[in-house]
Amino acid sequence: GENVGLHLPTLSVQEGDNSIINCAYSNSASDYFIWYKQESGKGPQFIIDIRSNMDKRQGQRVTVLLNKTVKHLSLQIAATQPGDSAVYFCAETDPGTYKYIFGTGTRLKVLA
Amino acid sequence: KAGVTQTPRYLIKTRGQQVTLSCSPISGHRSVSWYQQTPGQGLQFLFEYFSETQRNKGNFPGRFSGRQFSNSRSEMNVSTLELGDSALYLCASSRPGQGSYNEQFFGPGTRLTVL
Repeated sequence: GENVGLHLPTLSVQEGDNSIINCAYSNSASDYFIWYKQESGKGPQFIIDIRSNMDKRQGQRVTVLLNKTVKHLSLQIAATQPGDSAVYFCAETDPGTYKYIFGTGTRLKVLA
Repeated sequence: KAGVTQTPRYLIKTRGQQVTLSCSPISGHRSVSWYQQTPGQGLQFLFEYFSETQRNKGNFPGRFSGRQFSNSRSEMNVSTLELGDSALYLCASSRPGQGSYNEQFFGPGTRLTVL
């Protein structure tokens, strides 16, 4: 798509399987994290968020896990569907500046 | 409720020209952030405006500037365009308050091509 990079890591999964997308964040002081989905030609769309006082949060078909010890986030998508094909970004926010810092993104391809 | 809107959606300019992009946030949102998205650098934060004041700034040269109006609408300006400014420029709005727990809602972006 027009808004994704040529060198993005790509995760290919079979339709119906579960997907796990990982993200390492940089600032140990970050206290809020968000996963976004970006489809071709569109802006990023909010999927799920988690605050630093939580380890896990579940939404509809999605779960976010936060490991503060190793500064790692993951997004789990259950029963992946063709409509889940997109680029997924994690973002962290600095409590001092409110700035969002985005990860590089992972392209998810769902195979029929 | 209408989402974040950005105009124009596509723009073609030549080197040396200047460009102004516009963003209308979701009604009630007072914070507007701008990002540059390129294949090589991903999503890079440009600046954030809150109540007509620049609250945060990223690491971009002074050719990139912005402003926010009393109705929270925001514009960003890029002067003396360079080929490397070709990118998707995204605007995001959020409510104020609650520290950093502010979900940002993104617009569709403006695709700028510099020839």
